[in-house]
Amino acid sequence: AQSVTQLGSHVSVSEGALVLLRCNYSSSVPPYLFWYVQYPNQGLQLLLKYTSAATLVKGINGFEAEFKKSETSFHLTKPSAHMSDAAEYFCAVSVARGYNKLIFGAGTRLAVHP
Amino acid sequence: DGGITQSPKYLFRKEGQNVTLSCEQNLNHDAMYWYRQDPGQGLRLIYYSQIVNDFQKGDIAEGYSVSREKKESFPLTVTSAQKNPTAFYLCASRPSGARDEQFFGPGTRLTVL
Repeated sequence: AQSVTQLGSHVSVSEGALVLLRCNYSSSVPPYLFWYVQYPNQGLQLLLKYTSAATLVKGINGFEAEFKKSETSFHLTKPSAHMSDAAEYFCAVSVARGYNKLIFGAGTRLAVHP
Repeated sequence: DGGITQSPKYLFRKEGQNVTLSCEQNLNHDAMYWYRQDPGQGLRLIYYSQIVNDFQKGDIAEGYSVSREKKESFPLTVTSAQKNPTAFYLCASRPSGARDEQFFGPGTRLTVL
């Protein structure tokens, strides 16, 4: 069965510092992987997705993620944090059979301080 | 503009009352989903529908009901049987194709008093 683990429910970085949000997945079939961002009291917005093409995926707002099959990981990074990056981030894996359900991680709340 | 709308944004109900949350999309997407979000638990799937007049239970369907009479609409009813209905509810849709991401609405925050 598919599952997603996000290491660290809260991450705090300084403005301008590297952002690293960790995501590990478990999947019995080649996965499709997604990162979403959620600002307070809003819906989820797609940051980027991996669908078996390039392993390094670039998304919006300067974020990128690398799919590493050997490590079953899909960590999200951004070279330099901005105050506006403060939000909750969710990693998700797609169940690519049947009704295409997404399995979400528990989320990581990113705080950015001056 | 194409998108997903959910109404209302905030909803208050007394315990024991049924309440219906609206979800409408004009993206011409086939599949629609309802999620429940609680702090620290991520999103949990309540119901999903791939086509009109068809829907399936998700992981936490007890106490909820849905209908899919039109492609654009997928309302969720929270019944009095739902033990702890206070939560943030998110609706999503997706076009055909397993690689496609889900698009989310802005959510409805339901508080049961």
